[in-house]
Amino acid sequence: GAVVSQHPSRVICKSGTSVKIECRSLDFQATTMFWYRQFPKQSLMLMATSNEGSKATYEQGVEKDKFLINHASLTLSTLTVTSAHPEDSSFYICSAFFGHRDYGYTFGSGTRLTVV
Amino acid sequence: QKEVEQNSGPLSVPEGAIASLNCTYSDRGSQSFFWYRQYSGKSPELIMSIYSNGDKEDGRFTAQLNKASQYVSLLIRDSQPSDSATYLCAVNNPTNAGKSTFGDGTTLTVKP
Repeated sequence: GAVVSQHPSRVICKSGTSVKIECRSLDFQATTMFWYRQFPKQSLMLMATSNEGSKATYEQGVEKDKFLINHASLTLSTLTVTSAHPEDSSFYICSAFFGHRDYGYTFGSGTRLTVV
Repeated sequence: QKEVEQNSGPLSVPEGAIASLNCTYSDRGSQSFFWYRQYSGKSPELIMSIYSNGDKEDGRFTAQLNKASQYVSLLIRDSQPSDSATYLCAVNNPTNAGKSTFGDGTTLTVKP
């Protein structure tokens, strides 16, 4: 089945530094990937839609300069959290749909970011 | 009103019982409906998809869809402790560029 590989699984960084999270589609091409954030005991919050070869589309309230998304190839999308602060600590998850867009998502394994 | 609403939960059932999870949605243009399971600390995984009115069965799982009532449910038969997780309902409108709208989830606990 379709696999989305996400790295790193956990990262601890100091406040003010930047962190890059990678999301790769294995064995399939993902022209579109979605980036979510999830705080403890809360639901998924869509941050942005990443489209290969074009600028990402951000959801309302998400700072595009803080959460940089790059989708340079059909198999790789990256999310960079710039100048991270403790309030950015969260679970970040990418997803893609395999085949038709209505077939449901395959999610990456998620990245637990802790900013100290 | 939220676009996708689920039972607030938590839901607790004894092992072997049927767990019933419900979801309503507001967008009448929605055409695809999904149930995801999310274990604590893990990312969601797709367990069922349904597109037509009626029932769809896959092993111990049955998804039910009623577009007229804007209602989708998930039944888990012979519930097992390993089914304890948060279940997320998601809907797709084909005009929404593939973006799914998720409910807040219902946490299910199956007690041995």
